[in-house]
Amino acid sequence: GDSVTQTEGQVTVSESKSLIINCTYSATSIAYPNLFWYVRYPGEGLQLLLKVITAGQKGSSRGFEATYNKETTSFHLQKASVQESDSAVYYCALSDRAGGLSGKLTFGEGTQVTVIS
Amino acid sequence: EAAVTQSPRSKVAVTGGKVTLSCHQTNNHDYMYWYRQDTGHGLRLIHYSYVADSTEKGDIPDGYKASRPSQENFSLILELASLSQTAVYFCASRAQGANTEVFFGKGTRLTVV
Repeated sequence: GDSVTQTEGQVTVSESKSLIINCTYSATSIAYPNLFWYVRYPGEGLQLLLKVITAGQKGSSRGFEATYNKETTSFHLQKASVQESDSAVYYCALSDRAGGLSGKLTFGEGTQVTVIS
Repeated sequence: EAAVTQSPRSKVAVTGGKVTLSCHQTNNHDYMYWYRQDTGHGLRLIHYSYVADSTEKGDIPDGYKASRPSQENFSLILELASLSQTAVYFCASRAQGANTEVFFGKGTRLTVV
């Protein structure tokens, strides 16, 4: 089946420092997956942070960037300088570009990011 | 702004009891979903629906039923709640189409004791 792996369950980073959250995927049943990063702030639902639907392309939003690397099957999330307001849980996810009947998302485990001052 | 509202936001249920989680969307979306999240795991799809009065099984449907009485409402029903169903449940909706954005509710924390 399809899967998404985030190796870091929790990350603590100092304000103004850089952040990288690793994400790798396996899409055995999907030829061309769409890739997403979702964020969940405390007390809120998941929000779409960015998405990329074409291999080799980069997505960006709110200072975050992620590049769709089909060769390494990775979609790492990066930010050059984090702020306390970036403290949240970040989820990597994929879906079938064709949509399929369900259009479901397959999620990674999530990474809790805590930014300290 | 697309809106998905879940109720209740938190619930404690007894083992063997019946639990109903409700979801209401004002997005006029065709698709609605129920996911569950366990600590250390990603969200997993329980049931979904792409039209009123019809539901489909997701990846982990055992122990759950779903109901979609209208386009706006989608319920998740646990007929006999078990300890293993303690989790956070998320409802979501999206418009029809291959690359439409999914909008999530704030989640319901269910504790079965």
